[in-house]
Amino acid sequence: GENVEQHPSTLSVQEGDSAVIKCTYSDSASNYFPWYKQELGKRPQLIIDIRSNVGEKKDQRIAVTLNKTAKHFSLHITETQPEDSAVYFCAASPASGYSTLTFGKGTMLLVSP
Amino acid sequence: NAGVTQTPKFRILKIGQSMTLQCTQDMNHNYMYWYRQDPGMGLKLIYYSVGAGITDKGEVPNGYNVSRSTTEDFPLRLELAAPSQTSVYFCASGQGADYGYTFGSGTRLTVV
Repeated sequence: GENVEQHPSTLSVQEGDSAVIKCTYSDSASNYFPWYKQELGKRPQLIIDIRSNVGEKKDQRIAVTLNKTAKHFSLHITETQPEDSAVYFCAASPASGYSTLTFGKGTMLLVSP
Repeated sequence: NAGVTQTPKFRILKIGQSMTLQCTQDMNHNYMYWYRQDPGMGLKLIYYSVGAGITDKGEVPNGYNVSRSTTEDFPLRLELAAPSQTSVYFCASGQGADYGYTFGSGTRLTVV
């Protein structure tokens, strides 16, 4: 089955810096890669996703890149703000029709003012 | 649209008691999921369903049961609660794993 590794487990940055979280996956047939943000005490919420036919996707200050050859994808947050502090989870979905996402273990991002 | 609604939000159980965590979605999603999240940890899949009448085990199904009689509802049953089941439980729904999930707000369960 699919295996998703996520690094780092914790990341501390100063406000205004960039943050990068990286995930690797094992199943070369995986074709969908979402990122979820979970604020303290709240539910995970989808913030951005990318499909295997796209190399990069941006939404304001966040972007995701995908390298299918190396089987890794990354979340990039620019101009970080204190409200970006949260746990971020990456996930991968195997080939279409598979029922469940495989999640990484999460990265706690702390943005200091 | 309410999305995914979970009840109750908080519950304290005594060891050996039973309870049902309720989950309802109004998005007509076929796929529904139950996850548990222990403090400071990631999401572990308990059970999932791909449609009414169809359920399957996830990574950590022991001590839990589910049923899916309608598209909207996917209750999770805890029998003989144990302290190891103290956790936050999230229900989620979606159109399939390759379309992402919408999570409910969670149920924080403590077993004492």
